[in-house]
Amino acid sequence: DAKTTQPPSMDCAEGRAANLPCNHSTISGNEYVYWYRQIHSQGPQYIIHGLKNNETNEMASLIITEDRKSSTLILPHATLRDTAVYYCIVRGNTNAGKSTFGDGTTLTVKP
Amino acid sequence: DAGVIQSPRHEVTEMGQEVTLRCKPISGHNSLFWYRQTMMRGLELLIYFNNNVPIDDSGMPEDRFSAKMPNASFSTLKIQPSEPRDSAVYFCASSNPTGRAFFGQGTRLTVV
Repeated sequence: DAKTTQPPSMDCAEGRAANLPCNHSTISGNEYVYWYRQIHSQGPQYIIHGLKNNETNEMASLIITEDRKSSTLILPHATLRDTAVYYCIVRGNTNAGKSTFGDGTTLTVKP
Repeated sequence: DAGVIQSPRHEVTEMGQEVTLRCKPISGHNSLFWYRQTMMRGLELLIYFNNNVPIDDSGMPEDRFSAKMPNASFSTLKIQPSEPRDSAVYFCASSNPTGRAFFGQGTRLTVV
């Protein structure tokens, strides 16, 4: 799996968009960008993933740069319940659970 | 679907005792993964199975750890004998070959 770099922590005001960056400069052509989050005391939860096109689902949007060396996870209207550790993972699309989790970004949503 | 089910949710045991953690994956998923999470080391993959067969156990820390998957709907992670440094949250996850993994709620193990 390619290595990823994320800021250790970020704050966001409730109701505002949270933009979480991830650098993955060594990503290879067949590797996807996955995002998971872990709310305190719970198991990691899948958010979204993409290869090269931007993706959107009911939880978030994923913006991948054209050179694929970085990406941004966007939570459009953050709520207090979005406070969690967010993990950016780069991996192939097989063995979906075989992921290398780094330290992630601790997002704190403040009222 | 009830998701990935792990039991027990909490386990407190004395050093030297055998501990067995259990996992029921999501029906239809053919891959199962055991992770361990500690403050010091974060989330670490211990072992994973494809179609009930162990594929990679390089993350298993010692011979005291063993995992089995006797059928598609059940897996165990056993620690014998347990030590205080095994205290952690153990997660089980399941997936199809492609796509996303689903994690259970974890078992918090405390060895005293």
